Amino acid sequence: DTEVTQTPKHLVMGMTNKKSLKCEQHMGHRAMYWYKQKAKKPPELMFVYSYEKLSINESVPSRFSPECPNSSLLNLHLHALQPEDSALYLCASSQALGTGELFFGEGSRLTVL
Amino acid sequence: LAKTTQPISMDSYEGQEVNITCSHNNIATNDYITWYQQFPSQGPRFIIQGYKTKVTNEVASLFIPADRKSSTLSLPRVSLSDTAVYYCLVGDDYGQNFVFGPGTRLSVLP
Repeated sequence: DTEVTQTPKHLVMGMTNKKSLKCEQHMGHRAMYWYKQKAKKPPELMFVYSYEKLSINESVPSRFSPECPNSSLLNLHLHALQPEDSALYLCASSQALGTGELFFGEGSRLTVL
Repeated sequence: LAKTTQPISMDSYEGQEVNITCSHNNIATNDYITWYQQFPSQGPRFIIQGYKTKVTNEVASLFIPADRKSSTLSLPRVSLSDTAVYYCLVGDDYGQNFVFGPGTRLSVLP
C-alpha cells in the first residue's frame, strides 16, 4: 500500500464553522506534512510532524491546528477561517524527516465562504 | 526558503526529448536533488532523485555535473500527458528536501 488518503476531497465551510481535514497512510512512514496550494502556485509548507511530534510550524495562523494522533494519522483542524484560506490542502508522508521521496495524497479542496 | 531556480515555462512537441534545468548554486554537501511532477488538482508525484553524475529510471534521467550547482531533468519522447508542472527540490534551510520552489510549467503540443 503506497497510498496517502485524504478526506474529504471537497469541503465548503463558513467563516464561523469548525471542520477537520484528515490524512492517513499505512506505509510505516514516520514523517508527515501539511501543505497549502493556491492556484498556479507551488505547494507551501505548513506543518511537519516527525515521530508524531510537531517539528516544523511555518508561522501558520492559529486558526489552523494540526494534530497527529498516531503514526498513521494526521489531522488539520480548521476554525474561523477566512475566504483567502480557500485552497487545495495536501498531505504527504516520507519514511523519515528529510529522507527519500514524499508521497502525496490527492488533496482536499477547501472553499471558505 | 527554496534554493532553486527553474524556467517558469517550456513548450515542446510530442515525441521530443525535453530537458529542464534547475540551478542550485548554494547546494550543501549533504543535499540530494529531487524532482516531482504535478498535474492540476492532484498531489505532486515523485519522478527521480540523485546526488551526483547520472541517474536513470523508467520515466526520466537526471544529470548532475561535478560541481552540483545545477541539474537537468530529461524526459525522453514526451507525450501530451506529460503536460504538467515540474519541481526541483534540494535541501532547504533545514537541510531537508520538502520545500518547493516555483516549478516549471511544461506544455506538450501535438
